[in-house]
Amino acid sequence: QQQVKQSPQSLIVQKGGISIINCAYENTAFDYFPWYQQFPGKGPALLIAIRPDVSEKKEGRFTISFNKSAKQFSLHIMDSQPGDSATYFCAASISLNFGNEKLTFGTGTRLTIIP
Amino acid sequence: ETGVTQSPTHLIKTRGQQVTLRCSSQSGHNTVSWYQQALGQGPQFIFQYYREEENGRGNFPPRFSGLQFPNYSSELNVNALELDDSALYLCASSLERFLETQYFGPGTRLLVL
Repeated sequence: QQQVKQSPQSLIVQKGGISIINCAYENTAFDYFPWYQQFPGKGPALLIAIRPDVSEKKEGRFTISFNKSAKQFSLHIMDSQPGDSATYFCAASISLNFGNEKLTFGTGTRLTIIP
Repeated sequence: ETGVTQSPTHLIKTRGQQVTLRCSSQSGHNTVSWYQQALGQGPQFIFQYYREEENGRGNFPPRFSGLQFPNYSSELNVNALELDDSALYLCASSLERFLETQYFGPGTRLLVL
């Protein structure tokens, strides 16, 4: 059972444009939603994360929008640059009294920024 | 670059063999999680070790086993390798299971023939 569904599978955006990747989750117990960026030959790197007590979080050109009632969250990359070309994964986890449970990942979006 | 290292970087095995993958956690981190990433897929959680004890396991058979040492480095062992075990194996270390502190290593690419 895939608990985190991610779309689109691939995305091509022109330089300077906005890249948008969407995720939907099923388990309402999830309360930590990170996005990871992965370059070829590297492990995933944490990009930005959000908790459900806020509807939006912005860090530089990266913004997460969160809709708790729809059980959806999305990553927006503003002013997309060729260096942003990578595979992006959304993920979800459940907080414990001390720390978090495992990460459940989406299937990934391959983003290509063209000049 | 993160402080998480994995060895070997690449490995080729044949079906039925056994393999051991190694992970050295970032300094100060006491939690190691292992993930399997099949080609074109997101990472799937295998298990986590916290202070040398297994602390959570994903939907993987018992032939996937692990170990964490007193210095918090870790091993992933896979017995009776199957073709479907071909994947990138990622380890990630964190401080006290807090995902905000988690860093992934570059992975070990395993090919089973």
